Amino acid sequence: SQQGEEDPQALSIQEGENATMNCSYKTSINNLQWYRQNSGRGLVHLILIRSNEREKHSGRLRVTLDTSKKSSSLLITASRAADTASYFCATGLRMDSSYKLIFGSGTRLLVRP
Amino acid sequence: DAGVTQSPTHLIKTRGQQVTLRCSPKSGHDTVSWYQQALGQGPQFIFQYYEEEERQRGNFPDRFSGHQFPNYSSELNVNALLLGDSALYLCASSLAMRGPYNEQFFGPGTRLTVL
Repeated sequence: SQQGEEDPQALSIQEGENATMNCSYKTSINNLQWYRQNSGRGLVHLILIRSNEREKHSGRLRVTLDTSKKSSSLLITASRAADTASYFCATGLRMDSSYKLIFGSGTRLLVRP
Repeated sequence: DAGVTQSPTHLIKTRGQQVTLRCSPKSGHDTVSWYQQALGQGPQFIFQYYEEEERQRGNFPDRFSGHQFPNYSSELNVNALLLGDSALYLCASSLAMRGPYNEQFFGPGTRLTVL
């Protein structure tokens, strides 16, 4: 079963607007990562935030993490048509000598030109 | 520097057949993880290979098996295919020594269709 739930499931905005996506998860984590996927192809890593971090920036991306609420948000500022994609949060879980990612169901973002 | 590569890109099989998917990790990476992504869903963890051994497994039946070779490349085998096995299969590579803060780099995926 999937750990995370993204909200909203779909988002449609005008180019230039900001897009905010939220992710909630259930168990303790080592880190949380956000990925982008275009047209059902491979996932592109966007940003990783550690469990002891609260906020992280990368270009037009801003990620926050609230471990007390088990939630994270991804903000894309000044969106562009090229940002149209599905966005997934993934929680990193360390188990014994290995490590895996547990993905949410994703937010489908449409940026209208 | 080549990223993660997967082959084939697309594959069509019929129920009951067997399939083998291949993955070459990013240069310098030693760990390969496999994920299944059904249409409209997020990827689901199948298993992870490190040092040629399966280190962790998700909730998938024994019909799903894998292998890692000394050069760190990996194969995913699925036996007795079912219609429900139709999905995008993603391979991800990472570096074990970086521990739980490592990024996983994904390949473009293999789209499997079972008829």
